Amino acid sequence: NAGVMQNPRHLVRRRGQEARLRCSPMKGHSHVYWYRQLPEEGLKFMVYLQKENIIDESGMPKERFSAEFPKEGPSILRIQQVVRGDSAAYFCASSPPSGTRQSNEQFFGPGTRLTVL
Amino acid sequence: AQSVTQPDIHITVSEGASLELRCNYSYGATPYLFWYVQSPGQGLQLLLKYFSGDTLVQGIKGFEAEFKRSQSSFNLRKPSVHWSDAAEYFCAVGAPGSGNTGKLIFGQGTTLQVKP
Repeated sequence: NAGVMQNPRHLVRRRGQEARLRCSPMKGHSHVYWYRQLPEEGLKFMVYLQKENIIDESGMPKERFSAEFPKEGPSILRIQQVVRGDSAAYFCASSPPSGTRQSNEQFFGPGTRLTVL
Repeated sequence: AQSVTQPDIHITVSEGASLELRCNYSYGATPYLFWYVQSPGQGLQLLLKYFSGDTLVQGIKGFEAEFKRSQSSFNLRKPSVHWSDAAEYFCAVGAPGSGNTGKLIFGQGTTLQVKP
């Protein structure tokens, strides 16, 4: 059973470009979380999604950032008009449906390291 | 406000020595508690978790952690450290309940260096 997959693993963008980060949750998982890790810091929660729904976006910056988890396909974190301060590692995690075994655990992907030039 | 504090940014121990990494939390109720390990350039791996019950929990790789409600702490321990344990360790809390924990709140991490 493959784990959480993220691509690309490394992404370089110039200021003003768009960045799209993809996350494929573990098989059978219906909950996806996105976290951002700035250099020398811990992970900060960004957004929590279920299929086609945003459950909690309290950690998302108000502008330029958006996330989706469509019925089919991976979850996408989209950053428009990137700035140097967006350079960070972005981690996705997934968990199984509520009430199932391990539903209270989050399984993390390897991350996407975004560098903005 | 909910928060997690890991007071030690860096810790260096000799191989074979014991280890304790500290974690304190601020939360309205007893949260779910987690320790994760992150190797350089990698994602996070769950070491152990506490939801309820026995306050001493065992995890993978020989790690254990003890929940102390009175101190709002969840310290991670290992009796004998191996060189491969060098990594960054994160304590995290999540909302208790029967469903998903929702967002996790992480501490700032402790970097463990192991001397030969």
